[in-house]
Amino acid sequence: TQLLEQSPQFLSIQEGENLTVYCNSSSVFSSLQWYRQEPGEGPVLLVTVVTGGEVKKLKRLTFQFGDARKDSSLHITAAQPGDTGLYLCAGVPGNQFYFGTGTSLTVIP
Amino acid sequence: EADIYQTPRYLVIGTGKKITLECSQTMGHDKMYWYQQDPGMELHLIHYSYGVNSTEKGDLSSESTVSRIRTEHFPLTLESARPSHTSQYLCASSEWGQDFYGYTFGSGTRLTVV
Repeated sequence: TQLLEQSPQFLSIQEGENLTVYCNSSSVFSSLQWYRQEPGEGPVLLVTVVTGGEVKKLKRLTFQFGDARKDSSLHITAAQPGDTGLYLCAGVPGNQFYFGTGTSLTVIP
Repeated sequence: EADIYQTPRYLVIGTGKKITLECSQTMGHDKMYWYQQDPGMELHLIHYSYGVNSTEKGDLSSESTVSRIRTEHFPLTLESARPSHTSQYLCASSEWGQDFYGYTFGSGTRLTVV
């Protein structure tokens, strides 16, 4: 059983569409992060959310931390081919760091 | 500009060979990690270190070993490579204080054992 479940696992959309990916857990997280990994590279940190209900925006990406700090979502507006990659949530419930199961996004031109 | 460096980027070796994957960081981070990842799949922690002379095994059983003699250097060694070791290996470092600031990853080593 994974501590952080992401959905969907795979997502293929057309350029210009909107999408949302989810990261869910039964545990409370002190903070939660989102990373993007391009093929052949290591993950790169996009954002950290620390307060329940917090919303952060990074250009066309909107990140939300659930009120109870057990879940998070990533919404992409008007997806572009450059958004293609593996999106990973990650967090710390206690003293150990966990990565989510990942969402592989493909944006078709 | 990368602050954490992994070499080699790609490696193809024969079964039974001994290999060492190098990882160095210039940020002075105490905490370093090795993850194994199949293409497009989740990351599995195989080793971590919280400082010099500190090493621990992660959640995924691995036949590899690590050492941490210097803060900036965290190499991973496979004594006898097998085809089941074919994967991508990612090194990361982090800084933990009152808050957690996230991981910085290297670009990875893509290992193929034939």
